[in-house]
Amino acid sequence: EVQLLESGGGLVQPGGSLRLSCAASGFTFSSYAMSWVRQAPGKGLEWVSAISGSGGSPYYADSVKGRFTISRDISKNTLYLQMNSLRAEDTAVYYCAKSGSSRPIYYFDYWGQGTLVTVSS
Amino acid sequence: EIVMTQSPATLSVSPGERVTLSCRASQSVSSNLAWYQQKPGQAPRLLIYGVSTGATGIPARFSGSGSGTEFTLTISSLQSEDFAVYYCHQYNNWPITFGQGTRLEIK
Repeated sequence: EVQLLESGGGLVQPGGSLRLSCAASGFTFSSYAMSWVRQAPGKGLEWVSAISGSGGSPYYADSVKGRFTISRDISKNTLYLQMNSLRAEDTAVYYCAKSGSSRPIYYFDYWGQGTLVTVSS
Repeated sequence: EIVMTQSPATLSVSPGERVTLSCRASQSVSSNLAWYQQKPGQAPRLLIYGVSTGATGIPARFSGSGSGTEFTLTISSLQSEDFAVYYCHQYNNWPITFGQGTRLEIK
C-alpha cells in the first residue's frame, strides 16, 4: 500500500524558514517523480515543485523559485521541501504527491494527508 | 502558463442525477489531463488520467472525455459520497496547473 506522510509544518514568522518532509512507503521511491502541491485556506490547488525519480532536474513554480528547494533522499525514502524567506502568501496545506511515472510532469496517483504551514507574526 | 478554467464554479444537484463538469485549457494540453476529487479535510484523490482512463478503484459512474482544450468529467448517477470539489489538472507543459475547481452541492 502506498503511503505518503508529511511532517514539518507549523507556525513561522515572515522571513523565516521551515523544512517539510514526506516519508514514502509501499513503492520503489527512486522510480517515481515526486511533487509538492499546496492549498491556501479555502482556495484551490497550486503546484509548487517537482523532482524526477533520480533526484535530478528540479522544477519550481515562479511564486517560490529562488526561495524553496526540493530534494529527495533515496536511502531514507524521503522527499523534502526547504522553504526560506517565507511570506504570508505561503500559508497553506502542503501536500506531497507521487507522480504516476519517473517523469516529473505527470498526473499524481497518490497524495499525502498534508501538513499546514502558517506564516504570521 | 496554461490557464485551466472550470465551469460552473458551483453546481447544485440531486442524488441520482447525471452531471457534467467542464474544463477548458488556454492552449492544447493534448491528452495530458487528469481529474481529482477532494472532500473537506481530505487530500485530493485521482479519478481520471489521460483524459478518459479511470484510476484504480474508481467507480464506473465516473468518466472523462475531450481533447485538446475542451474536457468534461461526467458522473452518470450521483451518489451521496460524490458531493465534493473536483479539479482538472494539465500535465502537458510547465508549470503544472490546476483548474479552480467545481463544487458539487446537494440540491
